[in-house]
Amino acid sequence: QSALTQPASVSGSPGQSITISCTGSTYDIGGHDHVSWYQQSAGKVPKLIIYDVAKRPSGVSDRFSGSKSGNMASLTISGLQADDEADYYCHSFTSSTTWVFGGGTKLTVL
Amino acid sequence: QVQLVESGGGVVQPGRSLRLSCAASGLRFSNYVMHWVRQAPGKGLEWLTMISYEGNDKLYAESVEGRFSVSRDNYKNTLFLQMNSLRPEDTAVYYCAKDYYGPGSHDTGMDVWGQGTMVTVSS
Repeated sequence: QSALTQPASVSGSPGQSITISCTGSTYDIGGHDHVSWYQQSAGKVPKLIIYDVAKRPSGVSDRFSGSKSGNMASLTISGLQADDEADYYCHSFTSSTTWVFGGGTKLTVL
Repeated sequence: QVQLVESGGGVVQPGRSLRLSCAASGLRFSNYVMHWVRQAPGKGLEWLTMISYEGNDKLYAESVEGRFSVSRDNYKNTLFLQMNSLRPEDTAVYYCAKDYYGPGSHDTGMDVWGQGTMVTVSS
């Protein structure tokens, strides 16, 4: 299975908004709504921040939001904070009944 | 609280086998789909395998199909990953993760993760 495509890095200043894209195909992102996003801070375990495209787990800040259009999913973080600095991964079910991660995006808060 | 604790990692020679365990507590383990995910040093996350809550259905990534096998013991609240014919490229931290999906929910997402166990394949 090919990994989903994410930008290697994005950056923003505190208070700004950023969006991380996750591009797939009709065989994964475009085929259903089982897309999730994970935040992994340095040296830490991944944390679920968005599931089923746009749902937020209990306890996750509403500054995090997810969406999907066609074969691309997006994660938007508004009101950037220093502790948002982390690696972010998208994850999708595929038509070949497997799951696949994106390559990850490193967010730097300037 | 809900907790997952992996064990069984270590240093193993290429071609040998290893069995990882993931002990779950604080949840009705038999109600949830479970996953194994790994992360090679300095690399991204790689999904490996998923097992249904009853243990009847299993999915595998191409990179491990035929070499790795997932199973679970719902009486002992434990998930397993049997890894055979190990290769140097299997060196990684291995995480188990609980999914929302189960008989009471069709949401999907890995909401609880263990701390991981390191597997090093080297001669």
